[in-house]
Amino acid sequence: GESVGLHLPTLSVQEGDNSIINCAYSNSASDYFIWYKQESGKGPQFIIDIRSNMDKRQGQRVTVLLNKTVKHLSLQIAATQPGDSAVYFCAENDYAGGTSYGKLTFGQGTILTVHP
Amino acid sequence: EAQVTQNPRYLITVTGKKLTVTCSQNMNHEYMSWYRQDPGLGLRQIYYSMNVEVTDKGDVPEGYKVSRKEKRNFPLILESPSPNQTSLYFCASSSRSPDRGPNTEAFFGQGTRLTVV
Repeated sequence: GESVGLHLPTLSVQEGDNSIINCAYSNSASDYFIWYKQESGKGPQFIIDIRSNMDKRQGQRVTVLLNKTVKHLSLQIAATQPGDSAVYFCAENDYAGGTSYGKLTFGQGTILTVHP
Repeated sequence: EAQVTQNPRYLITVTGKKLTVTCSQNMNHEYMSWYRQDPGLGLRQIYYSMNVEVTDKGDVPEGYKVSRKEKRNFPLILESPSPNQTSLYFCASSSRSPDRGPNTEAFFGQGTRLTVV
């Protein structure tokens, strides 16, 4: 899971392996949970989101799992490639309906390194 | 190409010298925001705007100002920069989408690395 402090969690995998990145979120009122990828020298990029009424959502090579009981979110990347090497952030949005946009709050990130 | 453009990408300045970081998006998004990214602290929201002339404070607004006179532009102003504002800054925009929640798919600029000496 993501930690408080200056040292980001790290995950090292071999190319072709599956990766699982975990995140513990704090706000029970959050309605959307999102994963972002940030490559070196770039801004974060949206990967996938999941709404609080779901527990699993699949995208292309990625799956997000949500466990509201323990406030846990995970991102699974299948057949990890060197191009997947980046910092991955979980984020939550507390959108409550109506005309608001909700607030997007980011976790501290996990460094994923994929070795060829 | 849909994008968020920030300028400058790199800036070194001295304490107290006013500066502006520009941000422009070409996606007609209503929502725009500024974040700062510091090692181990993730991204923290400075200010956000839900529409033209509508702005509000985020989590770390002290020492910053913003304006939203046009939908596409959302400049970040540091009236009197201090060394603790040395950071990596990101502008982002988002909108409502029928496929996902509002402000979940945020589009980020390339970042502005600011050093205040």
